[in-house]
Amino acid sequence: GENVEQHPSTLSVQEGDSAVIKCTYSDSASNYFPWYKQELGKRPQLIIDIRSNVGEKKDQRIAVTLNKTAKHFSLHITETQPEDSAVYFCAASRDGNKLVFGAGTILRVKS
Amino acid sequence: EAQVTQNPRYLITVTGKKLTVTCSQNMNHEYMSWYRQDPGLGLRQIYYSMNVEVTDKGDVPEGYKVSRKEKRNFPLILESPSPNQTSLYFCASSFLNGQGGEQYFGPGTRLTVT
Repeated sequence: GENVEQHPSTLSVQEGDSAVIKCTYSDSASNYFPWYKQELGKRPQLIIDIRSNVGEKKDQRIAVTLNKTAKHFSLHITETQPEDSAVYFCAASRDGNKLVFGAGTILRVKS
Repeated sequence: EAQVTQNPRYLITVTGKKLTVTCSQNMNHEYMSWYRQDPGLGLRQIYYSMNVEVTDKGDVPEGYKVSRKEKRNFPLILESPSPNQTSLYFCASSFLNGQGGEQYFGPGTRLTVT
């Protein structure tokens, strides 16, 4: 089955700096890659997703890139703000519905 | 308001005492799923359902049961809970979509089994 590895497990950045979280997946048939953000004590919420027919997607300060050949995808957050502090999860899916999640990255933005 | 609800939000129980965590959504979603969240392990799928009366095992189904008698409800049943089932549980729902789409999560249920 699918296996998703996520790095780093913890990331600390200074406010205003960029943050990058990377994920690799094992199933070459996976074609949908969402990112979820979970604030402390809250539920995970979708922040951005990308499908395999697209190499990059951007939404304001966040962007996701996908390299199908290497089977990895990354989340980029620019101009980080304290409210970006949260746990971020990547996921992969081959049918668009069943998600396999990475272990998560704790992002701390220091002001 | 479109939402996924779970009850109870917190539960402390003893080994072997059957319990049910309810999940309900009001968005007419076909797909519903249960996850458990453990530190360092992310979110792992327990069971999922693609429609009424259609359920299937996820990645960690041992010790759990589910049912989908109505489209809006997807209860998680622990017939004989054990301490290794102490975890944070999330229910999620979405439209059935081969292209992918947002899964809406419930608020979570923190379960402690002593």
